[in-house]
Amino acid sequence: KAGVTQTPRYLIKTRGQQVTLSCSPISGHRSVSWYQQTPGQGLQFLFEYFSETQRNKGNFPGRFSGRQFSNSRSEMNVSTLELGDSALYLCASSLLSTRTSYNEQFFGPGTRLTVL
Amino acid sequence: ELKVEQNPLFLSMQEGKNYTIYCNYSTTSDRLYWYRQDPGKSLESLFVLLSNGAVKQEGRLMASLDTKARLSTLHITAAVHDLSATYFCAVVPTGNQFYFGTGTSLTVIP
Repeated sequence: KAGVTQTPRYLIKTRGQQVTLSCSPISGHRSVSWYQQTPGQGLQFLFEYFSETQRNKGNFPGRFSGRQFSNSRSEMNVSTLELGDSALYLCASSLLSTRTSYNEQFFGPGTRLTVL
Repeated sequence: ELKVEQNPLFLSMQEGKNYTIYCNYSTTSDRLYWYRQDPGKSLESLFVLLSNGAVKQEGRLMASLDTKARLSTLHITAAVHDLSATYFCAVVPTGNQFYFGTGTSLTVIP
């Protein structure tokens, strides 16, 4: 079974631009979560989508947004990029089955965003 | 504010030695996860601990959970170079929102 895929893997943008990152979860997984990883702040939760609905949102400004499509693929968008948005953006998918007592998150390879 | 703290942040150890990484968290969570991350790579799941007193072992790594003390440990036995990586713990107080620890960067020296 294919793992979580993210595109693009690397991205260079300039301040003020916007960017869209894509994530395809493991087949059958309906939950997609996004994280930002930086050396200073570590791994921080951005948001989670399940069945095309945002279920949870982390403490990030409104410039960070996302959506999920009917095939569970997800995109996140960052508008008006700032230097501090440079980070590794990780996507994780979960099965969220009622038949298991816990949910494991499987991570994609990440998108490395550099803002100049 | 929810905090997940790991100790130490950086660890340099010789091959063959034993050491323990600690993960303290400030909120109730009946699940705790350990992940490994190699440089430039994504996170790889190591263990899921589901109850108080849970212990899981895989190779030279053993993880345990004490929910009353809000503490998990990751014990490394007879370290080898291949274990060099950054290790993260994560708790899930509600829903499916993971809160990650600060990470422990482990370097095993020959």
